[in-house]
Amino acid sequence: GAVVSQHPSRVICKSGTSVKIECRSLDFQATTMFWYRQFPKQSLMLMATSNEGSKATYEQGVEKDKFLINHASLTLSTLTVTSAHPEDSSFYICSARRQGDQYSYEQYFGPGTRLTVT
Amino acid sequence: LAKTTQPISMDSYEGQEVNITCSHNNIATNDYITWYQQFPSQGPRFIIQGYKTKVTNEVASLFIPADRKSSTLSLPRVSLSDTAVYYCLVGSSGGFKTIFGAGTRLFVKA
Repeated sequence: GAVVSQHPSRVICKSGTSVKIECRSLDFQATTMFWYRQFPKQSLMLMATSNEGSKATYEQGVEKDKFLINHASLTLSTLTVTSAHPEDSSFYICSARRQGDQYSYEQYFGPGTRLTVT
Repeated sequence: LAKTTQPISMDSYEGQEVNITCSHNNIATNDYITWYQQFPSQGPRFIIQGYKTKVTNEVASLFIPADRKSSTLSLPRVSLSDTAVYYCLVGSSGGFKTIFGAGTRLFVKA
């Protein structure tokens, strides 16, 4: 149990276009979802935290108008990279905390989405 | 959030036990210690979580001394497939943010 999926797994887009990445908790309800980006050979960097039905909280330095996050339901969060540029090329990973996991710090991670902007 | 410090990299051989230590001097009373494993181009995978003393599951053990300022992940009899990056995270169940440190890159040789 506790599976998180991401779609697409890979995407190539042209500079200036927008790309939407979906994150779904398949067999549990997620009160909180997180979005990370990871550059090659580097650690995960938290971009934003989203709670169902409310606005996402962005980390310092992350442009909220460029990285639009929507957490419309307890099983779905989306990240839209608007007006993508080559420097946005990265590995984007989402994770979710399970509703009811009050005493656990465990997060369930998706498989990641490789975004390449040409 | 407590900052964590781990060795950047470690090498080992198949069949050996590997111990990766993480320092978290500023750990708070409510904080848990969680370890994740990440393979290239994949999302991190939960390994083990603990609060104090020793925790063991089917893949690893976690040793936490009484002062909780450090923790050690122990991987028994590693194989080539254990080559990955291992992250130590510290945080409370009430804290929603997860800040990843640099992690430890483990390379298992034949």
